[in-house]
Amino acid sequence: GNSVTQMEGPVTLSEEAFLTINCTYTATGYPSLFWYVQYPGEGLQLLLKATKADDKGSNKGFEATYRKETTSFHLEKGSVQVSDSAVYFCALSGGSGGYNKLIFGAGTRLAVHP
Amino acid sequence: GAGVSQSPSNKVTEKGKDVELRCDPISGHTALYWYRQSLGQGLEFLIYFQGNSAPDKSGLPSDRFSAERTGGSVSTLTIQRTQQEDSAVYLCASSFGQGGQPQHFGDGTRLSIL
Repeated sequence: GNSVTQMEGPVTLSEEAFLTINCTYTATGYPSLFWYVQYPGEGLQLLLKATKADDKGSNKGFEATYRKETTSFHLEKGSVQVSDSAVYFCALSGGSGGYNKLIFGAGTRLAVHP
Repeated sequence: GAGVSQSPSNKVTEKGKDVELRCDPISGHTALYWYRQSLGQGLEFLIYFQGNSAPDKSGLPSDRFSAERTGGSVSTLTIQRTQQEDSAVYLCASSFGQGGQPQHFGDGTRLSIL
């Protein structure tokens, strides 16, 4: 079945450092890919999405490119801030698994220090 | 409000009691989803409603769990004879149709079973 694998956290960075959180997926067909963020004490918020190969999703300085050849959707940000500290979830829907649900990775906790 | 609303935000109950969790989706969203977030299992899909179609119940962990959606809007998730392993955050999401549309999440209900 469909699945998502994320790099384990926590990821600890200093402010203004470059961020990469790796995400790879297993799916048949053509799923849509998402990054969600969960700030402390809050619900999940959609950060960005991509619906087809080579699409680049971007928001708030974060970017991720849908790479079908490597089945990846890595999240990047050029300069992180303390306010980016949160848990980040990679997710997919669609493909042969249908659009009835999101399948999430385990989440990666990011801690940014001043 | 503009977002998905869930109530209560916190619920503490004794083992064996029944609980009801409520979700108000974003107005106009035809699809509604329930997920469970727990430390050991991450984010798990529970159930999906789309318009007047039969719900996808494939994620419900046991027959103690049920959900309904009245009038295509508000949904209630019911857990009967609660067990300690039911302790988790229950998240509701809605989307405008499916087909890769992003899901918008509420802040969740934190359920604690004593």
